[in-house]
Amino acid sequence: KQEVTQIPAALSVPEGENLVLNCSFTDSAIYNLQWFRQDPGKGLTSLLLIQSSQREQTSGRLNASLDKSSGRSTLYIAASQPGDSATYLCAKGNAGNMLTFGGGTRLMVKP
Amino acid sequence: DTEVTQTPKHLVMGMTNKKSLKCEQHMGHRAMYWYKQKAKKPPELMFVYSYEKLSINESVPSRFSPECPNSSLLNLHLHALQPEDSALYLCASSQVVDSLNTEAFFGQGTRLTVV
Repeated sequence: KQEVTQIPAALSVPEGENLVLNCSFTDSAIYNLQWFRQDPGKGLTSLLLIQSSQREQTSGRLNASLDKSSGRSTLYIAASQPGDSATYLCAKGNAGNMLTFGGGTRLMVKP
Repeated sequence: DTEVTQTPKHLVMGMTNKKSLKCEQHMGHRAMYWYKQKAKKPPELMFVYSYEKLSINESVPSRFSPECPNSSLLNLHLHALQPEDSALYLCASSQVVDSLNTEAFFGQGTRLTVV
């Protein structure tokens, strides 16, 4: 069974810190890797999509990397802000564009 | 416009009721999805529609019945649900299935409570 794992499960940092969220997956048959943000009780907001042929993608203060050989992706958030507080989910895209999600990292950025 | 709209936002239904969840997108996407998310858990895939045809059913009980009337709309018909079916139901869409560049866009979800 395909598995996607995210560590840490929860993270609390002071405002302004740079931080890294980790995502690991089994099965190298990956189409793409997508990072999402979810606020409590809300839907998912797409942050970044990395195609299997790409190594990284950047959007503003966010940078995501993908290493298929090691089955890892990281989301780097620069200069964190209280508004970044949310749950961050990575999802592995498979054939049929079925997304398999990790358990998420709950991020709290304190002012 | 990258919006996927789901209605209603909240729904409370009895175990003998019949209700429907609705999802709409106007991005020209030809793939649409239903996911179920239990509290403090990640979303899990239920159904995939590709070009208005059901392509994947992840062994979902028949009390959940999906329908795709046209390329912009996706419904989920609910009947005789159980309390354990209470969850956040998320709709998503993407350009096509089986492409490397299929970014999925999600709606805000319907919070379903079965009493």
